[in-house]
Amino acid sequence: NAGVTQTPKFRILKIGQSMTLQCTQDMNHNYMYWYRQDPGMGLKLIYYSVGAGITDKGEVPNGYNVSRSTTEDFPLRLELAAPSQTSVYFCASSYDRGAEKLFFGSGTQLSVL
Amino acid sequence: AQKITQTQPGMFVQEKEAVTLDCTYDTSDPSYGLFWYKQPSSGEMIFLIYQGSYDQQNATEGRYSLNFQKARKSANLVISASQLGDSAMYFCAMRAPNAGGTSYGKLTFGQGTILTVHP
Repeated sequence: NAGVTQTPKFRILKIGQSMTLQCTQDMNHNYMYWYRQDPGMGLKLIYYSVGAGITDKGEVPNGYNVSRSTTEDFPLRLELAAPSQTSVYFCASSYDRGAEKLFFGSGTQLSVL
Repeated sequence: AQKITQTQPGMFVQEKEAVTLDCTYDTSDPSYGLFWYKQPSSGEMIFLIYQGSYDQQNATEGRYSLNFQKARKSANLVISASQLGDSAMYFCAMRAPNAGGTSYGKLTFGQGTILTVHP
């Protein structure tokens, strides 16, 4: 059972470039989330989704976009990368909103130079 | 708005001793959940323990227990018999409804406490 899979694990971008962080879960969870973790800090919610076709903004959505065409996949798009987006990105999922546990992916370390 | 506060940037403990990591929270909603996650140097987020606001008993999971004091709005993590492998960053997090009455599982995280276990 793979759980939540994120790719890539590491990426370096130049300012102004774009990229997509991939996230896939095989647990048939409806709820999926993208968090970012800046150095020495806790996680902050970027976007979340409560099911295929439904997404909404979290605490820090600026500079990002998401889509949810299937239950399994929840990609995060960075347009016009900026140094402020240098962070570790975590994708997570849960089976419902009252879940006692969020399942996290292993993270993507992104540097924008 | 929900808020989680972890006031200990770093903690040290001797191997085999117990340690308490502090967490206080703020929410006006009576229904919420409290979580602790461990993040080792490898970076993954490992779920440790969960406490619901209506749970009567303090949560326990092996060597981890959550000291839940609702009136004081605190949810401290107690690790008994510390091991060298417990050295990591520990995050307290809360799930609470937003202004619309729904939370969709969203967690608010504290800034974390770095725990170092000495041999």
